[in-house]
Amino acid sequence: AQSVTQLGSHVSVSEGALVLLRCNYSSSVPPYLFWYVQYPNQGLQLLLKYTSAATLVKGINGFEAEFKKSETSFHLTKPSAHMSDAAEYFCAVGYSGGGADGLTFGKGTHLIIQP
Amino acid sequence: DAGITQSPRHKVTETGTPVTLRCHQTENHRYMYWYRQDPGHGLRLIHYSYGVKDTDKGEVSDGYSVSRSKTEDFLLTLESATSSQTSVYFCATQQVEGGPRAGELFFGEGSRLTVL
Repeated sequence: AQSVTQLGSHVSVSEGALVLLRCNYSSSVPPYLFWYVQYPNQGLQLLLKYTSAATLVKGINGFEAEFKKSETSFHLTKPSAHMSDAAEYFCAVGYSGGGADGLTFGKGTHLIIQP
Repeated sequence: DAGITQSPRHKVTETGTPVTLRCHQTENHRYMYWYRQDPGHGLRLIHYSYGVKDTDKGEVSDGYSVSRSKTEDFLLTLESATSSQTSVYFCATQQVEGGPRAGELFFGEGSRLTVL
């Protein structure tokens, strides 16, 4: 079974600074990879998705992620943090078939933006 | 975006009482999921469904049952609620048959359950 590791349960950056949220996965087959964002008291929204078309994936709100197969990583970045980026971020790995192995989530990283 | 509604959004109940959470979708997605979200644990899969009357267990299924009598509805039941089931519950749907959004999960807004 696949697993997802998000390094750092909390990440704090200053407004305007680089955001880097780390995600590593274990898988023997190139998967779908996702980043989801959860704002307070809301459900999860898709931020971006890797589907093997390109290793650098651009998402909403200026976020992007790079798939590195050799490192089994899919780190999320944003060049300049904004106060509105404060949220919980989840990395997930999935396959096209759905089911119990359809999507596995990391434990999440809470992004804190300091003014 | 997929229309997924959960009800109730908030519920407080007492230990030992039955509780049913409802998830309704308007997108005709084949797969539906129930997750619970707890601090430090992220999202954990409780049960999922791959079609009408077709369900299976997830990682943390003990104490929970599900039913899916229609494509659009997926019910989660706690037969006898316990304090350890205090959590935020999320329903999600998934399109797996192909297309640009294949594999993605679409989430409801969540149902916050408190068991006293």
